[in-house]
Amino acid sequence: KQEVTQIPAALSVPEGENLVLNCSFTDSAIYNLQWFRQDPGKGLTSLLLIQSSQREQTSGRLNASLDKSSGRSTLYIAASQPGDSATYLCAVPNSGSARQLTFGSGTQLTVLP
Amino acid sequence: GAVVSQHPSWVICKSGTSVKIECRSLDFQATTMFWYRQFPKQSLMLMATSNEGSKATYEQGVEKDKFLINHASLTLSTLTVTSAHPEDSSFYICSAIQDSRMVGEKLFFGSGTQLSVL
Repeated sequence: KQEVTQIPAALSVPEGENLVLNCSFTDSAIYNLQWFRQDPGKGLTSLLLIQSSQREQTSGRLNASLDKSSGRSTLYIAASQPGDSATYLCAVPNSGSARQLTFGSGTQLTVLP
Repeated sequence: GAVVSQHPSWVICKSGTSVKIECRSLDFQATTMFWYRQFPKQSLMLMATSNEGSKATYEQGVEKDKFLINHASLTLSTLTVTSAHPEDSSFYICSAIQDSRMVGEKLFFGSGTQLSVL
């Protein structure tokens, strides 16, 4: 059974810092990996999706990398802003169904002004 | 972009009552929707897969008689928490698959429903 782990569980940084969030998964036979943002009491917003054949994806100040062989992904946030404060979740499709996702427990990010 | 609407966004109810949560795909048809549950400080856990016109598929440990799922149309799935108890208090989120010939399958999430059972 796929297990997804995210570290750290919480992170607090001053505005302007670059930061890295980590995600690891136990079953490397994944179709893709997705990073989401969740604001308190809200649903999920998809940030980046990396296909299994890709090594990284970029969107604005966000860069996500994927190393399938080691079962790891990182989300790099450049020049962090207070508006980036949220919980960041990574997720991979369940084996047997590419459309069901297994989520990590998330990293709660606080960017201090 | 595609939108999934979830209603209500929050609900407070007395123990023993039933609560219905709706998940609608607003501008696309979704033959498959998913229901997740999230307890505080924990991640989302898949509860069930909702299939239009057929019975839902429940994950291990999820009581199908407790969590009734109906997917009667291509744009609407409902989750009914029957005889709710305080331990059912949680954040429930739905997701829907948009299947496009242009972009393939994409997954969209509703905004979630916070259920508090007193």
